[in-house]
Amino acid sequence: DAKTTQPPSMDCAEGRAANLPCNHSTISGNEYVYWYRQIHSQGPQYIIHGLKNNETNEMASLIITEDRKSSTLILPHATLRDTAVYYCIVRPWGKSGGGADGLTFGKGTHLIIQP
Amino acid sequence: DAGVIQSPRHEVTEMGQEVTLRCKPISGHDYLFWYRQTMMRGLELLIYFNNNVPIDDSGMPEDRFSAKMPNASFSTLKIQPSEPRDSAVYFCASSFAVAQKDTQYFGPGTRLTVL
Repeated sequence: DAKTTQPPSMDCAEGRAANLPCNHSTISGNEYVYWYRQIHSQGPQYIIHGLKNNETNEMASLIITEDRKSSTLILPHATLRDTAVYYCIVRPWGKSGGGADGLTFGKGTHLIIQP
Repeated sequence: DAGVIQSPRHEVTEMGQEVTLRCKPISGHDYLFWYRQTMMRGLELLIYFNNNVPIDDSGMPEDRFSAKMPNASFSTLKIQPSEPRDSAVYFCASSFAVAQKDTQYFGPGTRLTVL
């Protein structure tokens, strides 16, 4: 049951902004949008997450549409080290009784930064 | 903090042998997760613990797989007997249980090859 849809691959020139889209049209009201990335041969790395407001941190910005059915991860000045597979994950905070649960990874977007 | 520590980083074994993978979570984290990554199936959640108690093991593929968390700073994933189809990268991750602070931090993974 795919909850998110992402393009399989994207290219971006070094120094430019990389905009990675994600569709999550069946997102529920209590589900957050998370982004992780996996650089080759490493474990996944958290980037950012949000519920309905746009979010920014030192790594990236997350833009969520008003209807919350899609979002865009923005890497403002992509470098070669940003070449990775980027995963968009929708996930509720807490099951009944509270608490976290595991992440469900899709196939992600393979972002290739070109020199 | 050293982050999530996994050992060994690489393991090569023969079919039928017992394999034990080890994980030390980040100190203070309440949750510990085991994931498996293969080319065919991508990243899959196997099992996770909260305060050393297994919460959801529905992702464990077979009875040959077992996981334990004897204390807050150590977990093992055991495969007995191992089979070639168990070849994969196994990741351990940990997180807090607090809303908005439940980022999962992944270890570097253990690459298992079963001949």
